[in-house]
Amino acid sequence: AQKITQTQPGMFVQEKEAVTLDCTYDTSDPSYGLFWYKQPSSGEMIFLIYQGSYDQQNATEGRYSLNFQKARKSANLVISASQLGDSAMYFCAMREGLGRSSASKIIFGSGTRLSIRP
Amino acid sequence: EAQVTQNPRYLITVTGKKLTVTCSQNMNHEYMSWYRQDPGLGLRQIYYSMNVEVTDKGDVPEGYKVSRKEKRNFPLILESPSPNQTSLYFCASSLGQGGRPGELFFGEGSRLTVL
Repeated sequence: AQKITQTQPGMFVQEKEAVTLDCTYDTSDPSYGLFWYKQPSSGEMIFLIYQGSYDQQNATEGRYSLNFQKARKSANLVISASQLGDSAMYFCAMREGLGRSSASKIIFGSGTRLSIRP
Repeated sequence: EAQVTQNPRYLITVTGKKLTVTCSQNMNHEYMSWYRQDPGLGLRQIYYSMNVEVTDKGDVPEGYKVSRKEKRNFPLILESPSPNQTSLYFCASSLGQGGRPGELFFGEGSRLTVL
């Protein structure tokens, strides 16, 4: 069964420092996608980055990169040069069965609350 | 504008009074889903749908019903709400395949309080 684990309920980081948010996952499906979402205090869910299980390179989107270690089943989010606006909840998510006629449901971890100190 | 619209955004109701939270998307997405968000528990999936007339239970389906009669709509029904269903609810949609198939487009959330 698919499972996502985020072990850091909360983190404090100094502005301009880099930060790594941990995410481990469990699946027996060779074809899956991993995602990170940001939820600011306003409540909306914002898509940040995607990594496919067959992608050779780690995904990057601006200041966000995904440190994908397939053998360890980890998909950590790295935010470079953190900003005050990065303060938010961050969720890791996974979907199995990509490329098949019926991909599976999308599940989320419990989230990490990131607070950036000025 | 591509969007997922859910209503109502805020609702206070009483135990046992049936209610429906509507969800509609205009992106022709196959996949739609309902999540509830509670502090410390993240987003837990209630029900999801791969396409019209195809629905499946998520991790916390008890006390909820859904239907998918049209591709664009996926209402969440609470037949007899109870206080433990007080939560923030999100509807989301996604392509079934192609692109970034797990990229969910979320509604703005519906905060439900059951007294």
